[in-house]
Amino acid sequence: DGGITQSPKYLFRKEGQNVTLSCEQNLNHDAMYWYRQDPGQGLRLIYYSQIVNDFQKGDIAEGYSVSREKKESFPLTVTSAQKNPTAFYLCASSTPLRVVNTEAFFGQGTRLTVV
Amino acid sequence: RKEVEQDPGPFNVPEGATVAFNCTYSNSASQSFFWYRQDCRKEPKLLMSVYSSGNEDGRFTAQLNRASQYISLLIRDSKLSDSATYLCAVNDYKLSFGAGTTVTVRA
Repeated sequence: DGGITQSPKYLFRKEGQNVTLSCEQNLNHDAMYWYRQDPGQGLRLIYYSQIVNDFQKGDIAEGYSVSREKKESFPLTVTSAQKNPTAFYLCASSTPLRVVNTEAFFGQGTRLTVV
Repeated sequence: RKEVEQDPGPFNVPEGATVAFNCTYSNSASQSFFWYRQDCRKEPKLLMSVYSSGNEDGRFTAQLNRASQYISLLIRDSKLSDSATYLCAVNDYKLSFGAGTTVTVRA
């Protein structure tokens, strides 16, 4: 089955701890993205990567870090510097953005709760 | 100004009605546009892509107006199952999303 897998689905962490969210895709997509969604809000872009070993900050990168060592994988670390980490985190992938008809597909998301 | 802005709604319509709402974008270099559907507590799912002036898929029609920098989504003959939040996305070389438009179709 081709798709994007995020794990875990639910994650609980204590305040002050770093936590890493997993995102793996087997769609052979070059581009991958991380978004954050708060209740009743839209998607805000945290980081995106258009190619292996390269990534760019999105609109709300502070307190987050990413790596893109493999094409299939784009893990997101929520650090203790992130002031309000409790949210729904969504990973997506697509063909390159320079391609006009690129379409992005999402994983099922990770609900992170920091207590 | 936000990169992508949407009518927030909520739009509350009876079954069988037509509902339409807009999404404006700020980057005139944006090259492609999308409508996603998101159900409560689920991931967004691609509904339609819009590359030229518009696209139609069954009861759903998306239109693009590059001069005024907006896209619209029209749903004809609304079904109860159309109740969802509709997210507009813009390929401005980093894939930006609007905050969503909530549609509720009532019996």
